[in-house]
Amino acid sequence: GQQLNQSPQSMFIQEGEDVSMNCTSSSIFNTWLWYKQDPGEGPVLLIALYKAGELTSNGRLTAQFGTTRKDSFLNISASIPSDVGIYFCAGLNYGGATNKLIFGTGTLLAVQP
Amino acid sequence: NAGVTQTPKFQVLKTGQSMTLQCAQDMNHEYMSWYRQDPGMGLRLIHYSVGAGITDQGEVPNGYNVSRSTTEDFPLRLLSAAPSQTSVYFCATNSGTGIWSEAFFGQGTRLTVV
Repeated sequence: GQQLNQSPQSMFIQEGEDVSMNCTSSSIFNTWLWYKQDPGEGPVLLIALYKAGELTSNGRLTAQFGTTRKDSFLNISASIPSDVGIYFCAGLNYGGATNKLIFGTGTLLAVQP
Repeated sequence: NAGVTQTPKFQVLKTGQSMTLQCAQDMNHEYMSWYRQDPGMGLRLIHYSVGAGITDQGEVPNGYNVSRSTTEDFPLRLLSAAPSQTSVYFCATNSGTGIWSEAFFGQGTRLTVV
């Protein structure tokens, strides 16, 4: 099946550092979504991107929809301990009667105070 | 407004047992989906439904059945549990409107098959 390559798999950083992660696909997507999953919880949407080249911010988070429509990037500035969790990218193919999200494998972020 | 509610939160089954994972939503969303989450695999789609009475297979449907008799409920049935079905299961809904449709997830059901 279709897969998204997400990197890095894990990151261990100090509080205050900036973080970058990315997601690439062999296929074009119509929409890119970034989710965060806290331990024991379901994923929660952080940012949604709807068109190629789009750059969107949500507080300290900034995400970009790649111009080729095959990749997306998420940056977190000035990390804090509550940023800990697993970050997932997801590409959305819509069309016909379905909306199917394809998820990346996740990036585990650990922040040391 | 509870959003997406999954029960149970934890479950241990013996190989060969059957059970149903419950999912209920109060957002009046048409689309509902079941995912499983395994280490290093991300979230993989098991089954989905675009509305009451309509279901279809996702990426990893084998060993699971679903039905959608109402908009609110989308149960996932394990017919004969196997250790390979040990996973965390997430139910999700999305509104399916407009040019995009984000997914809202439940808190998950952690299933262990021994």
